[in-house]
Amino acid sequence: DTEVTQTPKHLVMGMTNKKSLKCEQHMGHRAMYWYKQKAKKPPELMFVYSYEKLSINESVPSRFSPECPNSSLLNLHLHALQPEDSALYLCASSQGWGRGKYTDTQYFGPGTRLTVL
Amino acid sequence: DQQVKQNSPSLSVQEGRISILNCDYTNSMFDYFLWYKKYPAEGPTFLISISSIKDKNEDGRFTVFLNKSAKHLSLHIVPSQPGDSAVYFCAASDTGTASKLTFGTGTRLQVTL
Repeated sequence: DTEVTQTPKHLVMGMTNKKSLKCEQHMGHRAMYWYKQKAKKPPELMFVYSYEKLSINESVPSRFSPECPNSSLLNLHLHALQPEDSALYLCASSQGWGRGKYTDTQYFGPGTRLTVL
Repeated sequence: DQQVKQNSPSLSVQEGRISILNCDYTNSMFDYFLWYKKYPAEGPTFLISISSIKDKNEDGRFTVFLNKSAKHLSLHIVPSQPGDSAVYFCAASDTGTASKLTFGTGTRLQVTL
């Protein structure tokens, strides 16, 4: 099973709203990721959690706040977003550190299509 | 600075023929390479990967070739099927330092009947 699930599938929010995106995997992976993808562009890394600790923050604005409650769950809390933040938000997971290397086959969820009005 | 490049934004191939998608990279620290397939409004689906200690990896209709000296990899799909029509991204990582993928810009493959 290589399934990563994400909820909701679609989200429309105003610039003053607070919302959260959720991601879950049950593959025993210890690394989880948030990516943002705009139309006709490759996915852009936002955050990496490794063993439930934030290991990479790609200079993402503070209106995006990640949280990793446990090894299976990853949240992305959204507050005071801008219309240009509208995009497909992808969650991924991978085994993480093993045998002295990051075994980096990342498996992606279906994404949340976010529209900020 | 685009460290992973896919210079062909689109490719059209007839059903049953071979599809060849190309990818070039500049970072010599990259040692693990992956290909993903993506349909619109869906997440990327992992297809096949290759470590820098190999020059070829095969899985069914999909074969990835790696030429380290040229910093070039390619994905061969044979025979191509209409369901293969999608955007294909190559991605690379330096497995010794960070759990981070760098994606190419993608190639849209259209398999025609």
